[in-house]
Amino acid sequence: AQTVTQSQPEMSVQEAETVTLSCTYDTSESDYYLFWYKQPPSRQMILVIRQEAYKQQNATENRFSVNFQKAAKSFSLKISDSQLGDAAMYFCAYRSADISGTYKYIFGTGTRLKVLA
Amino acid sequence: GAGVSQSPSNKVTEKGKDVELRCDPISGHTALYWYRQSLGQGLEFLIYFQGNSAPDKSGLPSDRFSAERTGGSVSTLTIQRTQQEDSAVYLCASSRGAGNTIYFGEGSWLTVV
Repeated sequence: AQTVTQSQPEMSVQEAETVTLSCTYDTSESDYYLFWYKQPPSRQMILVIRQEAYKQQNATENRFSVNFQKAAKSFSLKISDSQLGDAAMYFCAYRSADISGTYKYIFGTGTRLKVLA
Repeated sequence: GAGVSQSPSNKVTEKGKDVELRCDPISGHTALYWYRQSLGQGLEFLIYFQGNSAPDKSGLPSDRFSAERTGGSVSTLTIQRTQQEDSAVYLCASSRGAGNTIYFGEGSWLTVV
């Protein structure tokens, strides 16, 4: 079974600085998708970034980028020029690409990011 | 609708009572998921619908939990004889089809006293 591990329960970053959130996963599959979701106090989960395992190029969305190391099964999120609005819980998630599967997402336990003014 | 809508947003119930949580997915989305988020925990998968059928209900924690989906749209998660350990945020998500990006609602916060 697949697992997702986020070893940092909480992180802090100074406004305008850069922070990296860690995520590791375990799977025997060769094709899959990885995601970072943000959950602000409003509780609504918002997709931040998505990475397809067969793509070697790291995904980037504005100030958000990932460092995807497939062999190491590592998928970290880098937030550049941190803003107060980035403060939230961040969840790493895995989803199989197996079309015969049920496409359920497996989530880590989350990292709470605090942004200091 | 514009987004995934869940109701009620907050529910306090007495132990032993039944509760129903409702999810209205984004219009046209055929796939629907229920997750549970307990305090300080990650998201725990409960059940997945494709249309009205549930090909994966492996995450339902006990036979007190059930879910249905009608008309390929609205889904209801029912918890019978609620227990204190059922207290959590219940999140619903939908996607255009299996394998597409999922979009979450704001969740229903259930407190069992």
